[in-house]
Amino acid sequence: EAQVTQNPRYLITVTGKKLTVTCSQNMNHEYMSWYRQDPGLGLRQIYYSMNVEVTDKGDVPEGYKVSRKEKRNFPLILESPSPNQTSLYFCASFSGFLPGELFFGEGSRLTVL
Amino acid sequence: AQSVSQHNHHVILSEAASLELGCNYSYGGTVNLFWYVQYPGQHLQLLLKYFSGDPLVKGIKGFEAEFIKSKFSFNLRKPSVQWSDTAEYFCAVNPSGGSYIPTFGRGTSLIVHP
Repeated sequence: EAQVTQNPRYLITVTGKKLTVTCSQNMNHEYMSWYRQDPGLGLRQIYYSMNVEVTDKGDVPEGYKVSRKEKRNFPLILESPSPNQTSLYFCASFSGFLPGELFFGEGSRLTVL
Repeated sequence: AQSVSQHNHHVILSEAASLELGCNYSYGGTVNLFWYVQYPGQHLQLLLKYFSGDPLVKGIKGFEAEFIKSKFSFNLRKPSVQWSDTAEYFCAVNPSGGSYIPTFGRGTSLIVHP
């Protein structure tokens, strides 16, 4: 079954404690992206990757890092989380062929105390 | 850079009412257009998309959208909503050429009362 898998789905952490949210897709997609969803602000792109070892900033990259060492994985790293990073995070992938659709993961709800 | 506006942030309807959600974009070139739906507690999934041809696009669950190029609009419609249509709806746009970097609108929250 084609899917995008994120872990953890829920996480409560404290300020400054590094964490990683993993994202894996089994569709051999070239493009992957991270979004955060906040009430009233919709979806905002954090980082995206067009292929292995190719990453770029989205609209709200501050406080986040990503890596793309393998095609299927695109982890989101919060080196020193802060309360303003409390949000719902979605990973998405896309084949690279237009007009294509984004396939989203189930979401990871992060709370930073 | 392109931008997407969804003018209705919150919509409340009764079952069987008709629905139209507005979406306008700003981009001078050829675009691909999408509507995604997010049911409560779930991830986003594609409702319908337009890339060329007939500007009236039909999607799942009785939804349709019309691309009006002169108005830079891609409004979503459904003649008769159901309680199960309660969800958040996102319009998205990406240019047809170059890198695929979709831009999302802020979303419209739809509540349908039984």
